[in-house]
Amino acid sequence: QVQLVESGGGVVQPGGSLTLSCAASGFTFKDYAMHWVRQAPGKGLEWVAVTPYDGTSKFHAASVRGRFTISRDNSKDTLSLQMNSLRPEDTAVYYCARGGTSSAYSFSDNWGQGTLVTVSS
Amino acid sequence: DIVMTQSPNSLAVSLGERATINCRSSQSVLYSSNNKDYLAWYQQRPGQPPKLLIYWASTRESGVPDRFSGSGSGTDFTLTISSLQAEDVAVYFCQQYFSGPFTFGGGTKVEIK
Repeated sequence: QVQLVESGGGVVQPGGSLTLSCAASGFTFKDYAMHWVRQAPGKGLEWVAVTPYDGTSKFHAASVRGRFTISRDNSKDTLSLQMNSLRPEDTAVYYCARGGTSSAYSFSDNWGQGTLVTVSS
Repeated sequence: DIVMTQSPNSLAVSLGERATINCRSSQSVLYSSNNKDYLAWYQQRPGQPPKLLIYWASTRESGVPDRFSGSGSGTDFTLTISSLQAEDVAVYFCQQYFSGPFTFGGGTKVEIK
């Protein structure tokens, strides 16, 4: 079965950096787009970034563009989110999600349990 | 950016009764080349990650009970739970994946009356 396991969350000071990872298993990773979606405590869902199956393109939400970078390693079945210049408003549970197709323009059909990032001094 | 507006914010429905959730997009999410609406619905139970229910506006994900159905096209969409069960208590979100950023609606909380 599809498994997505996020790691790398924690507490970081404003202006700091963090890298999230998502280990995928149970499917052919290189055939699917992958997304990051976040959820601030008690709030709704916010789409963060996507990369299609081959990683040749990357799209980021305006709120994180220039600070966050999505990437994937198809040889290791791993998705990453490099987060720099973190702000308190980046505090959220970050979910890794598989795209329903190989295209970036896809829904998310499987989700990890999420990893909590807290930005606070 | 495409703005997704859900209504109502919350609703309470008796067990076995119908629940209807609406989602409106600020511009059409219908792609004319393939005649598909790039609209999905998710369910999020307390303490859980979201779960995909419906994609392409009306295609039910495998394993999702048939009491869940999606309808609509263009800018107006509906998620219907035909006979509410206790396990359907959750927050429901719509999302467009027609154009980046792939925005979500604000969510609709469904409770038992």
